[in-house]
Amino acid sequence: KAGVTQTPRYLIKTRGQQVTLSCSPISGHRSVSWYQQTPGQGLQFLFEYFSETQRNKGNFPGRFSGRQFSNSRSEMNVSTLELGDSALYLCASSLWASEVGEQFFGPGTRLTVL
Amino acid sequence: KQEVTQIPAALSVPEGENLVLNCSFTDSAIYNLQWFRQDPGKGLTSLLLIQSSQREQTSGRLNASLDKSSGRSTLYIAASQPGDSATYLCAVRKTSGSRLTFGEGTQLTVNP
Repeated sequence: KAGVTQTPRYLIKTRGQQVTLSCSPISGHRSVSWYQQTPGQGLQFLFEYFSETQRNKGNFPGRFSGRQFSNSRSEMNVSTLELGDSALYLCASSLWASEVGEQFFGPGTRLTVL
Repeated sequence: KQEVTQIPAALSVPEGENLVLNCSFTDSAIYNLQWFRQDPGKGLTSLLLIQSSQREQTSGRLNASLDKSSGRSTLYIAASQPGDSATYLCAVRKTSGSRLTFGEGTQLTVNP
């Protein structure tokens, strides 16, 4: 069974630009969560989607947004990029949002903002 | 607000040694706790998931315990190998949703 896939794996952008990251969950998984990992803040929760609905949101500004499609694939968008947005963005999927929910992570997208 | 702490931040041991990694959390009302491994620049690999009603879980050379009342979990690694070198993260889930709160991790180096 294929794992969680994320594209692109690496991305370089400049301040003020916007970026879209993509995540394909494990087949059959309906819940997708996004996390930001930085050396200073560690792993922080961005948001969670289940059945195309945002179920939970972390403490990030409105520049960070996401969506989920009917096939459970999810995208995350960051607008007006800042230097501090440089991070590893990780996507995780789980079978359901309301049950046991062991989460499986993708390899991440490394975003560098210059 | 849930806070998760992992001690030590870094650990270096010789190959073959048994070792224990510690994780503590401030709010004992958790749904479950998950241990992950992260290799440099890579994503997270799930190692063990312990439900709040369980005391421990085992997978191969790994054993994780959970003491909810004291807000602690330990990850025991038996007969460590150089391939075990990685950062180990624990994360707690407060409700049945998918949001995880992570510790800062323990960077483990196993020397041949």
